[in-house]
Amino acid sequence: QQPVQSPQAVILREGEDAVINCSSSKALYSVHWYRQKHGEAPIFLMILLKGGEQKGHDKISASFNEKKQQSSLYLTASQLSYSGTYFCGTEASGGSYIPTFGRGTSLIVHP
Amino acid sequence: DAGVTQSPTHLIKTRGQQVTLRCSPKSGHDTVSWYQQALGQGPQFIFQYYEEEERQRGNFPDRFSGHQFPNYSSELNVNALLLGDSALYLCASRMWGGNIQYFGAGTRLSVL
Repeated sequence: QQPVQSPQAVILREGEDAVINCSSSKALYSVHWYRQKHGEAPIFLMILLKGGEQKGHDKISASFNEKKQQSSLYLTASQLSYSGTYFCGTEASGGSYIPTFGRGTSLIVHP
Repeated sequence: DAGVTQSPTHLIKTRGQQVTLRCSPKSGHDTVSWYQQALGQGPQFIFQYYEEEERQRGNFPDRFSGHQFPNYSSELNVNALLLGDSALYLCASRMWGGNIQYFGAGTRLSVL
């Protein structure tokens, strides 16, 4: 079952913050976050494993609420380079290391 | 360190034809997965190869087949192409047992 991402699209100005949500109807083992720019490979951002931890680097962080089967990606003080489509990939408990991806959230950052 | 590389970048075929796409995994990776990404959608899992065997398969018909070579590179073959097969085909690699996979830039297939 494909995870549901929200919102579908976000438009920001540089320096503003954004949150992208990912929810699943299944119990989750892990959540993967990727960013894809047009015509380029999806770039791995981070993985969150069962345990509800929060991870991050630079101004991008994420949380994983195992009980609610949800993850959120936080982009702080957004930069132009953050523009792209963000995908979450969820792996069900007892899983196979094959994430199932949502439809993506398009993020546009304007100067 | 070379990442995941795919060839060709773009391909145009007609209905009914057959196509082969190629992937070289990131150095040190031995497991290759293939995904289909339609416009405006997330990547959909096709299958995964490890030790030259198909290990897992998504919900794709038998027209989609693959192969992995001893050097861990892989091919995706699609027979009897349909218009609906037009998409970006992504290859991803990881180490067997690892849970982080890295994607190539993909092959854009257009079926006319």
